[in-house]
Amino acid sequence: DGGITQSPKYLFRKEGQNVTLSCEQNLNHDAMYWYRQDPGQGLRLIYYSQIVNDFQKGDIAEGYSVSREKKESFPLTVTSAQKNPTAFYLCASSLQGLAYLSPLHFGNGTRLTVT
Amino acid sequence: KQEVTQIPAALSVPEGENLVLNCSFTDSAIYNLQWFRQDPGKGLTSLLLIQSSQREQTSGRLNASLDKSSGRSTLYIAASQPGDSATYLCALNDMRFGAGTRLTVKP
Repeated sequence: DGGITQSPKYLFRKEGQNVTLSCEQNLNHDAMYWYRQDPGQGLRLIYYSQIVNDFQKGDIAEGYSVSREKKESFPLTVTSAQKNPTAFYLCASSLQGLAYLSPLHFGNGTRLTVT
Repeated sequence: KQEVTQIPAALSVPEGENLVLNCSFTDSAIYNLQWFRQDPGKGLTSLLLIQSSQREQTSGRLNASLDKSSGRSTLYIAASQPGDSATYLCALNDMRFGAGTRLTVKP
């Protein structure tokens, strides 16, 4: 079955450590996205990529980095520069990006806790 | 900057009731609007996508409408069931989300 896989489901790290969240899709979608969700809040866009080897900053990119070396993979690194990294992270993809009429498909998320 | 607002933040209704969830946005220059459902601790499931040229979309007991001129979309749920309990979010094509409405349907 086609879909988006995020791993791991739960992740624990010590403050000051970088951590990488995995996102893989087998939907053959061009565009991929990373969102952050905090309790009681909507999703905020961290980074997005419309095509391989290209990505753009979203609203809250500071302290995060991404790569898009393969169409199916869009890993997110939470660096030690991110001041408040504990959150629920969601990866999404769409057949085409941004203004195109393509619905978003989501993975099941990774809950990151930094202590 | 586009602002997306969902009111109410939480809603509790008895089973069988029809209900309406609201989504407001400030910039009418949108291409599409999508409604999602999120269960606790899970990702988002797409419910309906309305293109800017459409006024509504229907799927089963769900009906979503879009009024670009007034900056509003509504999600109508008919004959609500306890299984409909979840958080419902709307999103615009520029990937901006509302904070969601947490719906509880009581048996």
